[in-house]
Amino acid sequence: DAKTTQPTSMDCAEGRAANLPCNHSTISGNEYVYWYRQIHSQGPQYIIHGLKNNETNEMASLIITEDRKSSTLILPHATLRDTAVYYCIRRDYKLSFGAGTTVTVRA
Amino acid sequence: NAGVTQTPKFQVLKTGQSMTLQCAQDMNHNSMYWYRQDPGMGLRLIYYSASEGTTDKGEVPNGYNVSRLNKREFSLRLESAAPSQTSVYFCASKQDRVLEKLFFGSGTQLSVL
Repeated sequence: DAKTTQPTSMDCAEGRAANLPCNHSTISGNEYVYWYRQIHSQGPQYIIHGLKNNETNEMASLIITEDRKSSTLILPHATLRDTAVYYCIRRDYKLSFGAGTTVTVRA
Repeated sequence: NAGVTQTPKFQVLKTGQSMTLQCAQDMNHNSMYWYRQDPGMGLRLIYYSASEGTTDKGEVPNGYNVSRLNKREFSLRLESAAPSQTSVYFCASKQDRVLEKLFFGSGTQLSVL
């Protein structure tokens, strides 16, 4: 019973926008969606979170569908340093991260 | 700003040996967590501490014990290490009980031979 579903991997050209989808069809009404990324073998880094409205910060934008069953993380101008594993998670007492999406930004 | 500090960074143990992984945070956070990450996989929660003086099991607690020594420190102990515990261990902390904005340490790479 996966809490979130993400594609295993995706490629992106440097300078282009990277759109990372996440499915969370069983999310409840007051539950946030969180995004993290893990570069190489470092500890994961928080990116952004959202509930209903779209959110933007200095790192990325988060678009949440009106029914809240899915969301998309947008890296507006991907750089080589954005190559990482990206995790979409929900609040859960286990707070476990699934396998995430491995994003490779190519020059 | 140190954030979350883990020691050691690398460790090699023999099967049956014991050791303690140390974690300290200087952000005055209430909650602290221990995760393990096996090659090519996501992070799985071992134990967590919602506040000083409390600890709870996560998804994969077997073979581990934890101590929340004070608000700053949360240690993870392997009493009798097994090869299956070869992994990278991450400690994390967060301030807010509601928002899951975690801050992670740089990890401890543990090999059990």
